[in-house]
Amino acid sequence: DQQVKQNSPSLSVQEGRISILNCDYTNSMFDYFLWYKKYPAEGPTFLISISSIKDKNEDGRFTVFLNKSAKHLSLHIVPSQPGDSAVYFCAARGSGNTPLVFGKGTRLSVIA
Amino acid sequence: EAQVTQNPRYLITVTGKKLTVTCSQNMNHEYMSWYRQDPGLGLRQIYYSMNVEVTDKGDVPEGYKVSRKEKRNFPLILESPSPNQTSLYFCASSPWIFTEAFFGQGTRLTVV
Repeated sequence: DQQVKQNSPSLSVQEGRISILNCDYTNSMFDYFLWYKKYPAEGPTFLISISSIKDKNEDGRFTVFLNKSAKHLSLHIVPSQPGDSAVYFCAARGSGNTPLVFGKGTRLSVIA
Repeated sequence: EAQVTQNPRYLITVTGKKLTVTCSQNMNHEYMSWYRQDPGLGLRQIYYSMNVEVTDKGDVPEGYKVSRKEKRNFPLILESPSPNQTSLYFCASSPWIFTEAFFGQGTRLTVV
């Protein structure tokens, strides 16, 4: 049973436009959500996170939105740049000693 | 430089030959974990450790062992590797379970 779902395996966006990556979760006990970016031949790197007490967190060109009632979060990248081309993983965890649960990832291609 | 170091980066081995993938972090992090990444399956946690001598199973622990004798090291042991353990492996560490994780560069293992 997949608790964190990224239903779009890939996404192509033109440079300068907005990229929106989506993530759904099923476990209502999740209260902390993270996005990681992964380039080929490298490990994932932390991008941005959001706690369940917030509905938005912004860091430069990256904004994460959380809709708890819909169990949905999204990552917005504005404006998109070719260097943003990577695989993006959504991850979530609950309270207590629970490990991170990752989605399958979405491959973003930003076309110049 | 703060980092998580895995060795080796690439390994080809034969079925049944015991191997160890090392992981070391220089950030004095309490929490360490191992993941495997497979096409279409994303990142799945194998084992994690919340402190020295404290380890626990993740989602896919079968066929793997770990140890945490020192805070900085968290080796992954495959006692009798099989072809279905061919995968890309990542070690990660974080100050605590509730914070974002820092990943190593990955170990690509092929078992023939």
